[in-house]
Amino acid sequence: DQQVKQNSPSLSVQEGRISILNCDYTNSMFDYFLWYKKYPAEGPTFLISISSIKDKNEDGRFTVFLNKSAKHLSLHIVPSQPGDSAVYFCAASAHNTDKLIFGTGTRLQVFP
Amino acid sequence: NAGVTQTPKFQVLKTGQSMTLQCAQDMNHEYMSWYRQDPGMGLRLIHYSVGAGITDQGEVPNGYNVSRSTTEDFPLRLLSAAPSQTSVYFCASRPRYTEAFFGQGTRLTVV
Repeated sequence: DQQVKQNSPSLSVQEGRISILNCDYTNSMFDYFLWYKKYPAEGPTFLISISSIKDKNEDGRFTVFLNKSAKHLSLHIVPSQPGDSAVYFCAASAHNTDKLIFGTGTRLQVFP
Repeated sequence: NAGVTQTPKFQVLKTGQSMTLQCAQDMNHEYMSWYRQDPGMGLRLIHYSVGAGITDQGEVPNGYNVSRSTTEDFPLRLLSAAPSQTSVYFCASRPRYTEAFFGQGTRLTVV
């Protein structure tokens, strides 16, 4: 049973526009959420996180939004750049378990 | 600062062989974990550890063993390799309740 879901396997966006990546979760105990970026043949690298006590967190071009009632989070990238082309994973953990559970990933392609 | 180091980077095994994937971190993190990445399946948690001497199962533990005798090392053992274990394996470490840092991965093929 997939606890963290990314329903869009791929997304294509023009350079300069906004990229919106979505993630849904089912476990109401999750209270910490993260986004990772992964290039081919490399390990995932951390992008941005959000605690369940917040509904928004910004870091430069990256903003994560959390809607707890809908069990939904999204990552906004503005403006999108060709170097943002990668696979993006969302992840979630619950304070009492230490397990970090990942989604299936969304491949973002930013074209000129 | 090396971070999380995985060895080997590539490995080919025959069905039934055993092997150990090595993972070491130099950040004194309590929490370490192993994931496998398969097409369309994302990163799935195999085993994890919250400190030396403490390990627990993740989402897909069958066919794998782990132990944590030191804070730095968290090896993953394949007892009898099967083609279904062909995958890319990632080790990660993190302080509790913060982001995880990943190694570069081990690409394993079982023939």
